[in-house]
Amino acid sequence: GAVVSQHPSWVICKSGTSVKIECRSLDFQATTMFWYRQFPKQSLMLMATSNEGSKATYEQGVEKDKFLINHASLTLSTLTVTSAHPEDSSFYICSARALAGGPETGELFFGEGSRLTVL
Amino acid sequence: GESVGLHLPTLSVQEGDNSIINCAYSNSASDYFIWYKQESGKGPQFIIDIRSNMDKRQGQRVTVLLNKTVKHLSLQIAATQPGDSAVYFCAEQGNNRLAFGKGNQVVVIP
Repeated sequence: GAVVSQHPSWVICKSGTSVKIECRSLDFQATTMFWYRQFPKQSLMLMATSNEGSKATYEQGVEKDKFLINHASLTLSTLTVTSAHPEDSSFYICSARALAGGPETGELFFGEGSRLTVL
Repeated sequence: GESVGLHLPTLSVQEGDNSIINCAYSNSASDYFIWYKQESGKGPQFIIDIRSNMDKRQGQRVTVLLNKTVKHLSLQIAATQPGDSAVYFCAEQGNNRLAFGKGNQVVVIP
């Protein structure tokens, strides 16, 4: 089946620094990628939807200047947590929707998540 | 805002018994529903899905039931196994957005 890879799988950083998380669709092209964050024992909360070549659509309450999303190609989206603080520590998960026309048209595939710890 | 929720936070089930996990949704515009399984420290794993024009769909050991009248979704797991221990989320899709419910921990007792 289709694979979505996230990198890094875990990262520890100092408060005030920026951290970039990559989300790649390895064997399919993704027209849309979604970014979620998940706190312990809670559900996945949609942060933003990114479409290749256009600006991301952020959910209400998510600061777009804080969480920069770039979807430069059909196989890569990045989430940059700028000036990270301890409250940004969370599990960030991306998902990718397969481009129309392929064997997995329209299907949504999830990455394994990236755990961010801000000291 | 509209949300998807679960009734029970934790379900303990004896190995070999059947499990039923329930989910209530409130967005009547949602047309696609998915159940995911999440193990600790991992991303969600697709289990089964159902479209709004159906009321039942079966997979291997799993069945999803959709009741649009009362906006209710359920996941039935037959002959629950230790490997089924995880958190289960229902998710609803509408307007190209996939929103997750609160999650339900399933604990399988050997």
